[in-house]
Amino acid sequence: GDSVTQMEGPVTLSEEAFLTINCTYTATGYPSLFWYVQYPGEGLQLLLKATKADDKGSNKGFEATYRKETTSFHLEKGSVQVSDSAVYFCALLNSNYQLIWGAGTKLIIKP
Amino acid sequence: EAGVAQSPRYKIIEKRQSVAFWCNPISGHATLYWYQQILGQGPKLLIQFQNNGVVDDSQLPKDRFSAERLKGVDSTLKIQPAKLEDSAVYLCASSWGGTGGNTIYFGEGSWLTVV
Repeated sequence: GDSVTQMEGPVTLSEEAFLTINCTYTATGYPSLFWYVQYPGEGLQLLLKATKADDKGSNKGFEATYRKETTSFHLEKGSVQVSDSAVYFCALLNSNYQLIWGAGTKLIIKP
Repeated sequence: EAGVAQSPRYKIIEKRQSVAFWCNPISGHATLYWYQQILGQGPKLLIQFQNNGVVDDSQLPKDRFSAERLKGVDSTLKIQPAKLEDSAVYLCASSWGGTGGNTIYFGEGSWLTVV
């Protein structure tokens, strides 16, 4: 069945460092891909999405590119801030319009 | 555009008591989801509605959980009787559904503590 694998955390970085959180998927066909972010004590917020191969989603300085050949959707940001500390979830939308989730990666940014 | 509304935000109950959560999706969204998220874990789908019909409730513990979506708009999730392991965040989400759009939007969640 469909599945999403993302790098385990926590990931700890210093402010202004470069961020990469790896995400790979297994699916039939070409599902839409998403990154959601969850700040402490809050619900899930859509961070960015891509609906087809080679699409690049971007928001708030974060980017991810839908790579069909490597079945990946890695999240990147050039310079992280303390306020980016959160849990990040990679997900795909299956043919039943249900999100299949990665395990989540906790990101800790130190000043 | 208003987001997905949920209430209450926080609830503390004793085990064996009952609790109900309410959700109002984004206007016009046909598909509504309820998820359970235990601290430190990813969300688990409990039930999916398309308009007022159930699409998938395979992971809903039907001996104690129930959900309804009357008139295809807002929805209620009930737990009766609650167990300690039901302590979690209950997230409601909605989307246009089908060819109308595939992005799923979440509410702030209802945080349940069972003591």
